[in-house]
Amino acid sequence: AQKITQTQPGMFVQEKEAVTLDCTYDTSDPSYGLFWYKQPSSGEMIFLIYQGSYDQQNATEGRYSLNFQKARKSANLVISASQLGDSAMYFCAMRPSGYSTLTFGKGTMLLVSP
Amino acid sequence: DSGVTQTPKHLITATGQRVTLRCSPRSGDLSVYWYQQSLDQGLQFLIQYYNGEERAKGNILERFSAQQFPDLHSELNLSSLELGDSALYFCASSVEARGNTEAFFGQGTRLTVV
Repeated sequence: AQKITQTQPGMFVQEKEAVTLDCTYDTSDPSYGLFWYKQPSSGEMIFLIYQGSYDQQNATEGRYSLNFQKARKSANLVISASQLGDSAMYFCAMRPSGYSTLTFGKGTMLLVSP
Repeated sequence: DSGVTQTPKHLITATGQRVTLRCSPRSGDLSVYWYQQSLDQGLQFLIQYYNGEERAKGNILERFSAQQFPDLHSELNLSSLELGDSALYFCASSVEARGNTEAFFGQGTRLTVV
């Protein structure tokens, strides 16, 4: 079974600062994918970034980067230069290869202040 | 816009009733997934269909059922509704049945049972 742990229920950051959202995972599968999603107050789930367990480099997508430390089983999301529109709930998820369903963490609420 | 369309966006119904939630996947995606998001359970996988066939089953109640039609749209049927079924129901789609392809989510259907 897979498990995702997000230990930060809430995070506060000032506009233009960088912020790291923590995610640790537990799986016995040797190959898997890690995902981050953003859920604003309007409710939709927005895909942000993906990291494969065998990818040599950390994934980046614009202001989002994933700090992947395989030995520590962590996949932290780094948001650089925070914007007010980044205020939302952020979910970490994983999916072992050979499976198709995602296991989600409980989420971290990020609030960006001016 | 993820390309996944869910209708209706909001639904209010009484206990004991039956409702149908509809999902149209992204063009070209053969897999459809249903997830339930509630305050106490978080995001939970319900069921997956791939090209018309059930592929994986999660924590789906017997009162709930789903199907995927030849045009690949999917419906989630919820019957004998209880107050605890109030939640945000998401549909997601991806190209493959398995593997590390991204799952793109619709905007969700917010179900309120009164």
